[in-house]
Amino acid sequence: SYVLTQPPSLSVAPGQTATITCGGHNIGYKSVHWYQQKAAQAPVLVIFYDTDRPSGIPDRFSGSNSGNTATLTVSRVEAGDEADYFCQVWDTTSAQVVFGGGTKLTVL
Amino acid sequence: QLQLQESGPRLVKPSETLSLTCTVSGASLTGNTDYWAWIRQPPAKGLEWIGSIYFSGTTYYNPSLKTRVSMSIDTSKKQFSLNLSSVTASDTAVYFCVRWLWGRFHFDYWGQGSLVTVSS
Repeated sequence: SYVLTQPPSLSVAPGQTATITCGGHNIGYKSVHWYQQKAAQAPVLVIFYDTDRPSGIPDRFSGSNSGNTATLTVSRVEAGDEADYFCQVWDTTSAQVVFGGGTKLTVL
Repeated sequence: QLQLQESGPRLVKPSETLSLTCTVSGASLTGNTDYWAWIRQPPAKGLEWIGSIYFSGTTYYNPSLKTRVSMSIDTSKKQFSLNLSSVTASDTAVYFCVRWLWGRFHFDYWGQGSLVTVSS
């Protein structure tokens, strides 16, 4: 089955840029979606279709996808961005939803 | 505004069946691109998709859970349900009900989640 690989953790100082990767075989040919999950809350969609933002999501959140890596970028990081971030795809070959293992973003 | 709310027993004994229901408000369950899904998250772990159901009854299940999972939908009550049989402690998790958009394949509306513990 298809596997998505994320780094377990990332630490960034306020005001800096956080880059969270999601690796998968030829992931560039798939649509990647990203979710933010703060402590004890349900996940929130922050990026869909690789680069699109739902209404209400700040433009500090952006995404890209090419080759074997998709990326979520959080610019000008704030304390409120501290959360777990998950990538997700639909694998048509196996007809299943796949999530990455998640990356814990810590704001120093 | 679309809202989803999980309900069901919070404690289930090993080998028994876990049953949850999701009640949807703010929208019908019969949208052309709307699938309704269950996702779970064991304590301090990542997200795992369990399955998705369309109002017609069409389902997609996670292959790793397929032999134990059953989903159903009742559009008149605006509810959909999950049954997970032969549970063990490893099925202890927060269970979320979610809207899944077919063709776009992302999850846009989530319930608050319900912690279900499997223990004797």
